[in-house]
Amino acid sequence: AQKITQTQPGMFVQEKEAVTLDCTYDTSDPSYGLFWYKQPSSGEMIFLIYQGSYDQQNATEGRYSLNFQKARKSANLVISASQLGDSAMYFCAMRGSASGGYNKLIFGAGTRLAVHP
Amino acid sequence: SQTIHQWPATLVQPVGSPLSLECTVEGTSNPNLYWYRQAAGRGLQLLFYSVGIGQISSEVPQNLSASRPQDRQFILSSKKLLLSDSGFYLCAWSVIAGQVFSGYTFGSGTRLTVV
Repeated sequence: AQKITQTQPGMFVQEKEAVTLDCTYDTSDPSYGLFWYKQPSSGEMIFLIYQGSYDQQNATEGRYSLNFQKARKSANLVISASQLGDSAMYFCAMRGSASGGYNKLIFGAGTRLAVHP
Repeated sequence: SQTIHQWPATLVQPVGSPLSLECTVEGTSNPNLYWYRQAAGRGLQLLFYSVGIGQISSEVPQNLSASRPQDRQFILSSKKLLLSDSGFYLCAWSVIAGQVFSGYTFGSGTRLTVV
């Protein structure tokens, strides 16, 4: 069975510093994808970054980068130069293979990030 | 452009009352549609998914049901709400064209409080 584990219920970081949010996953599918979403207090789910299991390079999107270590089954999110607006809940998620015509997205429990001025 | 609409944004319902939450997608055809629920301070749990009109799969046994009467419409329902149905409900869609995966897009969510 697929599983996503986020072991940090809460994290805080000083403004302008970098922070790493941990995510480990478990799957037997050879093809999978890993996502990070941000959920501010408004509740909307904002897509941040995606890493495919066959991608050779770590994904980057602006201040977000994904530290993908396939052998360790980890996909940590790195936020550089934190901003006050980064304070939110962050979810790691994984999709399985496309068999069956659907892609279920499995979520971790989330990490609440607080950015301090 | 592709958009997803979800309503209402907030809802307070008494125990035992019925429920109907609607989600519609624009700008895409034959999407996969999903209903997720998020309990307070928790992650998202997949409730239902649909790969086509009238095709619904349930992930967990519960007091809720889902229907897809049209290609881009997904409805979450209950005949009698329970206190445990309270939560934040999110609709999402995804499209796979060949081997290209478009990712997931979420609606803005409905915060349901059962009293």
